[in-house]
Amino acid sequence: DTEVTQTPKHLVMGMTNKKSLKCEQHMGHRAMYWYKQKAKKPPELMFVYSYEKLSINESVPSRFSPECPNSSLLNLHLHALQPEDSALYLCASSQFFLGGRGPARSYNEQFFGPGTRLTVL
Amino acid sequence: AQRVTQPEKLLSVFKGAPVELKCNYSYSGSPELFWYVQYSRQRLQLLLRHISRESIKGFTADLNKGETSFHLKKPFAQEEDSAMYYCALGTTSGTYKYIFGTGTRLKVLA
Repeated sequence: DTEVTQTPKHLVMGMTNKKSLKCEQHMGHRAMYWYKQKAKKPPELMFVYSYEKLSINESVPSRFSPECPNSSLLNLHLHALQPEDSALYLCASSQFFLGGRGPARSYNEQFFGPGTRLTVL
Repeated sequence: AQRVTQPEKLLSVFKGAPVELKCNYSYSGSPELFWYVQYSRQRLQLLLRHISRESIKGFTADLNKGETSFHLKKPFAQEEDSAMYYCALGTTSGTYKYIFGTGTRLKVLA
């Protein structure tokens, strides 16, 4: 399996709802990423997980809560979102990610999922 | 601050014509540079990375540190090359950043 899958494809939620986005890969990759992409804009990195631990949080508001329950799964829990959070949320994975004491870098290519189109009403 | 600039939002060329998609970057360290492509209704996928120095689907890209550029080139465009192309930069020191340019839509006309 050489794909990153994301569910659901589309999600509509109210500002008081709690929902979760799911991402899965079975390529044995140990780094997983969440990106946010607004219409006609490039993807913006939100979070990086390396070996199931959060390595990078790009100052994302706490209403977005990532979780990596195992090496194949990455979730993004959503709570009390705002209409401006409506966007395409992309998940990606790569073979590994070097962080810690040395320079942080993404190793090898990132494989992207198809995204979840989120609309916040 | 790190930045990736793709000056053209849209580039239209005729089939068989040469193509050059421009990418300039701003980064004080030694960058990792990538080109990603997104065909219609498909997911974002890696096309090239500078460390590989490879040619994929006839595309090549050379890192020019003097000009801080990583332009994507193809000598003869094909209609199936029509897509959105993003240049991306990964930092290699300090706080990790992975930054995409704003993208260039390539349209290859018959």
